[in-house]
Amino acid sequence: SYDLTQPPSVSVSPGQTARITCSGDAFPKKYAFWYQQKSGQAPVLVIYEDNKRPSGIPERFSASTSGALATLTISGAQVEDEADYYCYSTDSSGNHTFGTGTKVTVL
Amino acid sequence: QLQLQESGPGLVKPSETLSLTCTVSGGSVSITSYYWAWIRQSPGEGLEWIGSVYYIGTTYYNPSLKSRVTLSVDTSKNQFSMDLTSLTAADTAVYYCAREREYYDITGYENYFDFWGRGTLVTVSS
Repeated sequence: SYDLTQPPSVSVSPGQTARITCSGDAFPKKYAFWYQQKSGQAPVLVIYEDNKRPSGIPERFSASTSGALATLTISGAQVEDEADYYCYSTDSSGNHTFGTGTKVTVL
Repeated sequence: QLQLQESGPGLVKPSETLSLTCTVSGGSVSITSYYWAWIRQSPGEGLEWIGSVYYIGTTYYNPSLKSRVTLSVDTSKNQFSMDLTSLTAADTAVYYCAREREYYDITGYENYFDFWGRGTLVTVSS
């Protein structure tokens, strides 16, 4: 199996920067994707192909990959950004893997 | 706008088979470069990919569930379905259907889920 490891939780004050890491052996050879999941809702794609934002995703969401670590950054976090965040990738064997998830608290 | 809607029982008994259907509207399941996937999330837990099916019937599964899962697609109804056998309490989860985009890039084959259903809670209990 293929593992993607994230910190369980990150806390940030409104307007500050939150960084969420995702460690995976397939990086940087494979892309990292990031999903936001608000309570009781389906996940929403916020980053694709390491660092690209889908249409409609605020500019405060950005991401990068360095070595075996992918990082999602929320610059100027808002209360509405409070959610669970999951990284996602596929290894060379085709295993579709979600990260362990990070709960972001904005308070 | 593409929409996906899961349907099926909310309560099933241990050892029985769970059958779920995802109805796609605003687009066709018979589209190249896209698979149709099932993903689940146990209460308070993370996301787990179950498997994916292409409109011509090609499938691939999570190795940990492969022995118990069958995916299929019905292009005439614009639906795809999942059967999960030999249920236990550990299969209690919210089950999501999703569209999976697959493509070839400089990194090799890549895929991600771009549209999701709202999810349906399935409880396994006697």
